Amino acid sequence: QITLKESGPTLVKPTQTLTLTCTFSGFSLSTSGVAVGWIRQPPGKALEWLALIYWDGDKRYSPSLKSRLTITKDTSKNQVVLTMTNMDPVDTATYYCAHRPGYCVGTGCYTDWGQGTLVTVSS
Amino acid sequence: QSVLTQPPSVSAAPGQKVTISCSGSSSNIGNNYVSWYQQLPGTAPKLLIYDNNKRPSGIPDRFSGSKSGTSATLGITGLQTGDEADYYCATWDSSLSVLFGGGTKLTVL
Repeated sequence: QITLKESGPTLVKPTQTLTLTCTFSGFSLSTSGVAVGWIRQPPGKALEWLALIYWDGDKRYSPSLKSRLTITKDTSKNQVVLTMTNMDPVDTATYYCAHRPGYCVGTGCYTDWGQGTLVTVSS
Repeated sequence: QSVLTQPPSVSAAPGQKVTISCSGSSSNIGNNYVSWYQQLPGTAPKLLIYDNNKRPSGIPDRFSGSKSGTSATLGITGLQTGDEADYYCATWDSSLSVLFGGGTKLTVL
C-alpha cells in the first residue's frame, strides 16, 4: 500500500520561507522512472503544479514559480522536501505531494496523493 | 486562466453519458500524454485515466479517455450521483512543466 503525507506549518507570515515535507511509504524513490511531485490548490480554485523530482535527482519546476522553489529528496528517509521563499497571501492553498510511478509514460500521471495540508499566509 | 481549456461545468441525468473536453496546443496535449483526475469535495484528486486512455486498477470502465490532435476527452457513462465532482485534465508542456486544466464541475441532475 502506497501512502504519502505532507507536513509543515499551517500558518506562515508574508515574506517568510515555507518548508513542506512529504513522507511516503510503499514505493522507493530510487526505482527507475519514479518521481514525486508537489501540487497546490488555492481555496475554491484549480490545481496548480509546482515541482517534480525524479528517482535520478532530475528536477522540474513551474516556470512561473521557479525562482522561489527548491525540491530535494532524501531517499533513505523516504522524504521529499519543498521550500518556497517569499511567501505571499496569494500562496494560501492546500499543498499536495503525489507519486508518479515508473510505468506511466506521461509526466502528469500521479497515481497516489497525500491528504494535503492547508497553508495560510497571513500576518 | 489555464493553458488547458475545460468547460467550467457540465451536467446530465443519472444513467446518462457525459463528456468533458480539454483543449490545448501542440506544445502540450498535441505531443504528450494526458491524465484525468476526479476530485470529490474536500478530498485529494484521484487518478481516473493516464497515458490518454488507460485506467488504473480499480477504476470502473464507465470512465474512458481519448485524445485527438490537441484535444482530449473524458467520457463517463452510466452516471451516478457519486460522480458529482470536479474533473481535471493534466499533461506535460514544452515549458518543461505539468499543466492542469481549469477544472470542470460535473452535476448529476
